[in-house]
Amino acid sequence: DQQVKQNSPSLSVQEGRISILNCDYTNSMFDYFLWYKKYPAEGPTFLISISSIKDKNEDGRFTVFLNKSAKHLSLHIVPSQPGDSAVYFCASLSSAGTYKYIFGTGTRLKVLA
Amino acid sequence: DAGVIQSPRHEVTEMGQEVTLRCKPISGHNSLFWYRQTMMRGLELLIYFNNNVPIDDSGMPEDRFSAKMPNASFSTLKIQPSEPRDSAVYFCASSPPASQETQYFGPGTRLLVL
Repeated sequence: DQQVKQNSPSLSVQEGRISILNCDYTNSMFDYFLWYKKYPAEGPTFLISISSIKDKNEDGRFTVFLNKSAKHLSLHIVPSQPGDSAVYFCASLSSAGTYKYIFGTGTRLKVLA
Repeated sequence: DAGVIQSPRHEVTEMGQEVTLRCKPISGHNSLFWYRQTMMRGLELLIYFNNNVPIDDSGMPEDRFSAKMPNASFSTLKIQPSEPRDSAVYFCASSPPASQETQYFGPGTRLLVL
């Protein structure tokens, strides 16, 4: 039972355009959400996070949006750059319990020059 | 400052052999996590330690898997006996006490069981 879903396994975007990566979750107890970025042969690195008290968090070219009623979050990258090509994982956790991430299966983003 | 260190980076072994994966968390971090990444299931948490104590091992697949954290700077994940379906990339991550929601991952160990 996949509690966190990333339904698009891959996405291709032209350099300079917007990349939108989506993530859905099922557990209403989740109250903290994160995006991690992973390059080949490396571990995931933290990108951006959002708590459930907010609906938007921005950090430079990266913005995460949270729609609690729809149990949906998205990561926007504007403008996309070739160096953004990587696999992006969303993760959810409930701070009421242990700090146990539930990860999605990832979306491979390719930014075309 | 060094990040999370994992060894070996690659391991090829034969079915039935014992495999031991090692992790050194970032100094000062008090939580340590072992994950497995496969194509089908993505990143799955296997076990989570806090202050060297296992807190949640519900993700450990079966009795063939065991993990230890004898001190704050070292952890092992052991598979005995190994099977081909254990082939995956195994990641270790750690987090600091002041920011447990953010985890720092090591480079991973790519395991292939023939």
